[in-house]
Amino acid sequence: DIQMTQSPSTLSASVGDRVTITCRASQSVSSWLAWYQQKPGKAPKLLIYRASTLKSGVPSRFSGSGSGTEFTLTISSLQPDDFATYYCQQYDSYSTFGQGTKLEIK
Amino acid sequence: QLQLQESGPGLVKPSETLSLTCTVSGGSVSTSTYYWGWIRQPPGKGLEWIGNIYYSGSTYYNPSLGSRVTISVDTSKNQFSLKLSYVTAADTAVYYCGRGSSYYGWFDPWGQGTLVTVSS
Repeated sequence: DIQMTQSPSTLSASVGDRVTITCRASQSVSSWLAWYQQKPGKAPKLLIYRASTLKSGVPSRFSGSGSGTEFTLTISSLQPDDFATYYCQQYDSYSTFGQGTKLEIK
Repeated sequence: QLQLQESGPGLVKPSETLSLTCTVSGGSVSTSTYYWGWIRQPPGKGLEWIGNIYYSGSTYYNPSLGSRVTISVDTSKNQFSLKLSYVTAADTAVYYCGRGSSYYGWFDPWGQGTLVTVSS
């Protein structure tokens, strides 16, 4: 099984901050990685797929990078609507999600 | 606009079979472009992929769930379904259906989710 590990588990930040969330795979997943945003009581929403392709309609302040075993999700300037939990998902071999990173208001 | 909606019992007894249906509107499950899948999330925890199905009936399951999982598709009703047998309290979760990009791919969109509690 491919394990996905996100860091940090919790991140405190302020509006306007630049933040980065990391996702590491236990073995290479090439670029078969997606990022989701989830708010309490709601279904996850796709932000990025194939490691760096922004889904249409997602604000350009979100960006993804990486390949192989290390990936990052960056929000260039945090907006109030961005405080949520973020998950990575590998889909190279079966599918596995990271444990999530909760982005909190500082 | 494609929408997915989960339905089924919210309470299942231990050792019984959990059955859920996902109804697709605004699009067809018979598309050759996408797959259809199930994901679950125990209360307060992370996401777990359950499995995907193609309109032809080809299925792809999470090996950790073994033979307990069955996903099927009904193209005439534009629905796909999940059955999880021999459930325990560990199967208590919000169950989501989603449109998958491939047999293991990303999901977009997702249904709103339905909470299934396993309890006697």
